[in-house]
Amino acid sequence: DSGVTQTPKHLITATGQRVTLRCSPRSGDLSVYWYQQSLDQGLQFLIQYYNGEERAKGNILERFSAQQFPDLHSELNLSSLELGDSALYFCASNHRGTSTDTQYFGPGTRLTVL
Amino acid sequence: AQKVTQAQTEISVVEKEDVTLDCVYETRDTTYYLFWYKQPPSGELVFLIRRNSFDEQNEISGRYSWNFQKSTSSFNFTITASQVVDSAVYFCALGNEKLTFGTGTRLTIIP
Repeated sequence: DSGVTQTPKHLITATGQRVTLRCSPRSGDLSVYWYQQSLDQGLQFLIQYYNGEERAKGNILERFSAQQFPDLHSELNLSSLELGDSALYFCASNHRGTSTDTQYFGPGTRLTVL
Repeated sequence: AQKVTQAQTEISVVEKEDVTLDCVYETRDTTYYLFWYKQPPSGELVFLIRRNSFDEQNEISGRYSWNFQKSTSSFNFTITASQVVDSAVYFCALGNEKLTFGTGTRLTIIP
């Protein structure tokens, strides 16, 4: 158990809908990272927050947004969902927010868009 | 640009055999870190090891060992006396400005 929690574990929804994925980092970690893992794209970095502020952006679509709250938990919002958004979404955390430090991953949220 | 290549897409070995997973990376940075993660069938990503670019000593942890060779930009992972529980997808990753993952190697241990 990495100490990173993600809810829900599974999510099934329809095209065009909007969903919110939630992540709580390990105790003491200030930075949260979001990744998407799909069969054809592998593990793709989406976005990073550090202590409430956006720090880095990866291949995140405009339909997707995220935020980190004062208690350091983070939410990833996915809107106007398409079939291709079906994937496993991971949250990871570390303390200093650098990619030279280990990122500890949560169990993931499996999103299925029908 | 940085890149991580795991050329072995899938490997199958019989239980108790040794197996080596290859990882080759590209970066222009002189300071960087290398990681291995395991993704078992249950889906979570489990951290295995972190190594910095200045430490080329091999590391052993039980049945797991890692061979870092800066001269060939490789960070290979060997499992000795494999077990069915080692069946998983293994990812190598390079960390400096960002964390870049390889495409993973699916390892199947046949009982």
